[in-house]
Amino acid sequence: AQRVTQPEKLLSVFKGAPVELKCNYSYSGSPELFWYVQYSRQRLQLLLRHISRESIKGFTADLNKGETSFHLKKPFAQEEDSAMYYCALTSGGSNYKLTFGKGTLLTVNP
Amino acid sequence: DVKVTQSSRYLVKRTGEKVFLECVQDMDHENMFWYRQDPGLGLRLIYFSYDVKMKEKGDIPEGYSVSREKKERFSLILESASTNQTSMYLCASSLKTPAFYGYTFGSGTRLTVV
Repeated sequence: AQRVTQPEKLLSVFKGAPVELKCNYSYSGSPELFWYVQYSRQRLQLLLRHISRESIKGFTADLNKGETSFHLKKPFAQEEDSAMYYCALTSGGSNYKLTFGKGTLLTVNP
Repeated sequence: DVKVTQSSRYLVKRTGEKVFLECVQDMDHENMFWYRQDPGLGLRLIYFSYDVKMKEKGDIPEGYSVSREKKERFSLILESASTNQTSMYLCASSLKTPAFYGYTFGSGTRLTVV
């Protein structure tokens, strides 16, 4: 079974500080991983895809298969980064089901 | 942009009522999903559909059913609403293999069962 763990329910940092949102997964094969973000009163939207190795809004995430982790990082947090962040996993290929973690609420203080 | 539209933003229903939540997507996506979102529990998959008239149970299907008669529309049905079904319901759609593009979500329906 596939599982996603986000160990922190809440994370609070000051503006300009580095931020890391942790995500660990359990899956025996080669997963495809995503980060989704939900800003206040907005719909859930895709932030990052592991497969495309991109940087969006200054965020990056590296898949570490040895540690089964996909942590989300940003070197300098901004107040507008305050949101709920979800890590999600699919086994890829013809499997279309995404399994989500429970989410981390990030607050960036001025 | 892909649009996933959920018919109601807020809904209040009485215990025992039959409730229909509607979702429509306009980009010819093969897959559609219903999740519920609860604080501290994240998103939990209720049902999904990978083709017209096809459906599969997710992680928490009890008390729910679905219908997909047309490719663009996926309905979630609460046969007899109960107070523990008070939640935010999210619909999503994706291409057949979402590994690259992921899901696109609707804005959600907040259902309150009284």
